[in-house]
Amino acid sequence: GQNIDQPTEMTATEGAIVQINCTYQTSGFNGLFWYQQHAGEAPTFLSYNVLDGLEEKGRFSSFLSRSKGYSYLLLKELQMKDSASYLCAVFSPVNYGGSQGNLIFGKGTKLSVKP
Amino acid sequence: GAVVSQHPSWVICKSGTSVKIECRSLDFQATTMFWYRQFPKQSLMLMATSNEGSKATYEQGVEKDKFLINHASLTLSTLTVTSAHPEDSSFYICSASGGPIAASYEQYFGPGTRLTVT
Repeated sequence: GQNIDQPTEMTATEGAIVQINCTYQTSGFNGLFWYQQHAGEAPTFLSYNVLDGLEEKGRFSSFLSRSKGYSYLLLKELQMKDSASYLCAVFSPVNYGGSQGNLIFGKGTKLSVKP
Repeated sequence: GAVVSQHPSWVICKSGTSVKIECRSLDFQATTMFWYRQFPKQSLMLMATSNEGSKATYEQGVEKDKFLINHASLTLSTLTVTSAHPEDSSFYICSASGGPIAASYEQYFGPGTRLTVT
């Protein structure tokens, strides 16, 4: 089966660092994405990991361990505008008549940043 | 680059009517488009995957006769919710792939359409 787990909610303080974990069990794996989604809006791309290790992009970093089925998103120097849901998604390489596969989303972690 | 638009952004319709939602890739050719549905406080659930010029592939539990998907060109896909009922009220989001970073399998999401069926 396909299963992606991440905490439902987290709270952190402005200026701090927060780590959002994601564990996955999927029938195939061709990369892991992190998306940010503000309420009532579509997800926006944050990061993509396909190899083990840490990918850093400004205040955001994402880590992947394929052997452990584990990833985390690290947000530094938190700002109020970072309050949003963070979605972990695994790309599963199912062949849909030419399509390379589809994304399987976790339920998202709602992050609240407080002053 | 890699912009996806959706129209309308929100729609209210009466039970029993049909609603069409358009998804367009504005600056790239989308070989594959995906339709998702998201209920409040839930994650995105894939409804169907469509490739230009071919029939859509629906996820288990999604009624293909109720949610009609057409992917007539490399820049346009439409989702028609037929005989809508209040339980179809949801946030519908499309995404497209085949853009400038196709090798990374990245999907570009539209802004979503909020459907309310009364």
